[in-house]
Amino acid sequence: GENVEQHPSTLSVQEGDSAVIKCTYSDSASNYFPWYKQELGKRPQLIIDIRSNVGEKKDQRIAVTLNKTAKHFSLHITETQPEDSAVYFCAASTDYGNQFYFGTGTSLTVIP
Amino acid sequence: NAGVTQTPKFQVLKTGQSMTLQCAQDMNHNSMYWYRQDPGMGLRLIYYSASEGTTDKGEVPNGYNVSRLNKREFSLRLESAAPSQTSVYFCASSLDRISYEQYFGPGTRLTVT
Repeated sequence: GENVEQHPSTLSVQEGDSAVIKCTYSDSASNYFPWYKQELGKRPQLIIDIRSNVGEKKDQRIAVTLNKTAKHFSLHITETQPEDSAVYFCAASTDYGNQFYFGTGTSLTVIP
Repeated sequence: NAGVTQTPKFQVLKTGQSMTLQCAQDMNHNSMYWYRQDPGMGLRLIYYSASEGTTDKGEVPNGYNVSRLNKREFSLRLESAAPSQTSVYFCASSLDRISYEQYFGPGTRLTVT
């Protein structure tokens, strides 16, 4: 099956700085790559996603890039704010979205 | 519109006991999923149901069974609980295979002693 690796496991940044989280995947058939944010004690929520026919996608301060050749994708958060502090999960999906394989998560702390 | 709901929120079981985790969604979604979340391991898919009447194994199905009762409800059963099943369990749903976005329930924290 698919193997998704995520780095780093923890990340601390100063408020206003940028944060980058990277994921790699193993199955070249993966075609959908979502990112989820999970605040402490809460459920995961989708923040951005990208499909394999797109190289980059932005939504305000959040962007995701995809390199299909290298099988890696990254989450970029600019102008970080304390409310960005959470655990972020990447995921990869094959088979038309029926099975999602998640990374192990990155705990982001934004220091005011 | 409650989204995805799960019951119970917390549960403590003794080894060997059985229980069923309930999940329901009111978004008319076709696909539903059960995940477990363990520290340092992310979310792992236990079972999923692509549509009413179908279920399939995910990454870690051993020790679990599921039932897609109708379009709204998808339950997860532990027949003989083991300490290794101590985890937080999340149910999720998505409109269909094309829409992809998964909506998660609030989770059930299960402890097996």
